[in-house]
Amino acid sequence: QKEVEQNSGPLSVPEGAIASLNCTYSDRVSQSFFWYRQYSGKSPELIMSIYSNGDKEDGRFTAQLNKASQYVSLLIRDSQPSDSATYLCAVKKSGGYNKLIFGAGTRLAVHP
Amino acid sequence: DAGVTQSPTHLIKTRGQQVTLRCSPKSGHDTVSWYQQALGQGPQFIFQYYEEEERQRGNFPDRFSGHQFPNYSSELNVNALLLGDSALYLCASSLTSGETQYFGPGTRLLVL
Repeated sequence: QKEVEQNSGPLSVPEGAIASLNCTYSDRVSQSFFWYRQYSGKSPELIMSIYSNGDKEDGRFTAQLNKASQYVSLLIRDSQPSDSATYLCAVKKSGGYNKLIFGAGTRLAVHP
Repeated sequence: DAGVTQSPTHLIKTRGQQVTLRCSPKSGHDTVSWYQQALGQGPQFIFQYYEEEERQRGNFPDRFSGHQFPNYSSELNVNALLLGDSALYLCASSLTSGETQYFGPGTRLLVL
């Protein structure tokens, strides 16, 4: 079992719709969770971080964390074609310095 | 405020050769982590440097080594290159007390 799992996609949504990206993790000592966006040929760019159960909103993005279910998700409202990218979920364990464990990413395609 | 910089941007080597990649962290950051990202995969943690010491290491062979300089910049060295070392090599900087890592643009290495 991989430590961090994501559906590879592609997830295809129409422009203006809500895109829902999901991530599960296996280690209960995980304490910090991050979503990065990566355009093709580019490096990962941090979108959001979340540390506590519940929702965290930033503009069109909402991260949701459920530690009991070991599940973290990212919602993108009013999806735009410019949101088309691979979204990487990353997890940091307690006591693991800043080592990040990444999922393989979900490819999102927003079509006009 | 300069972000994370890496050099070179692209590199082509042949099997058995050695390569050195360079990274300058974001201004004010003291911790540098290196990741390897193979095509279609998420980044994999190689190691992390703080106070010129390797603080944590991922599951990579000793052919991968590094260094951090007093100005916090860092190098990644890979000896005896294999075809499987072809990947995007990412440097991420952070504060040792901080949670968030910021990635540089990466170095794309092709081993022939």
